Amino acid sequence: AQKVTQAQTEISVVEKEDVTLDCVYETRDTTYYLFWYKQPPSGELVFLIRRNSFDEQNEISGRYSWNFQKSTSSFNFTITASQVVDSAVYFCALRPTGYTDKLIFGTGTRLQVFP
Amino acid sequence: GAVVSQHPSRVICKSGTSVKIECRSLDFQATTMFWYRQFPKQSLMLMATSNEGSKATYEQGVEKDKFLINHASLTLSTLTVTSAHPEDSSFYICSARGAGGLYEQFFGPGTRLTVL
Repeated sequence: AQKVTQAQTEISVVEKEDVTLDCVYETRDTTYYLFWYKQPPSGELVFLIRRNSFDEQNEISGRYSWNFQKSTSSFNFTITASQVVDSAVYFCALRPTGYTDKLIFGTGTRLQVFP
Repeated sequence: GAVVSQHPSRVICKSGTSVKIECRSLDFQATTMFWYRQFPKQSLMLMATSNEGSKATYEQGVEKDKFLINHASLTLSTLTVTSAHPEDSSFYICSARGAGGLYEQFFGPGTRLTVL
């Protein structure tokens, strides 16, 4: 089965706190891609990162960082020093290679950052 | 980056009418376009995949006669919700992928459909 689980439905933090959004995936494919998207209240999905299954290096982009662990099938996303503008719903997604384009989304985590 | 637009952004219609939603890739040629549906506070569910010039491939459980998809050009795909009913009220999002891309789908801003 191909599946993405985001167990945290809602997280609330105060500005400047660090927050980690969890993502666990299931796939039998040995080659696959993982994604994170941000969906602000306006509704538009914003691409954040793509990672292929052969690249387990962690990535940092400004206040964002991602931790990919194949051993636990997890691809967690950390926001450091959160800001109010980070408030959004964040989706983790899987693209197995058996499906040339299909993205399988998790249920999303709603992050609220309070001032 | 690649830009995808959707029109209209919001539409309200009466039950029984048909609604057409357009998805355009503005600065690239989209060989493949995708249509998703998102209910309030839920995830995106893929409805169908369309390749330019060919029939769309629908996901299981999606009625192809109700959700008509046309991908007549490399920059335009349309989704027509025929004989819409209140249960069709949802947020519809399209995405597009160009040829030879790195499997990134670029998403449109979405269309909120409300059927009265």
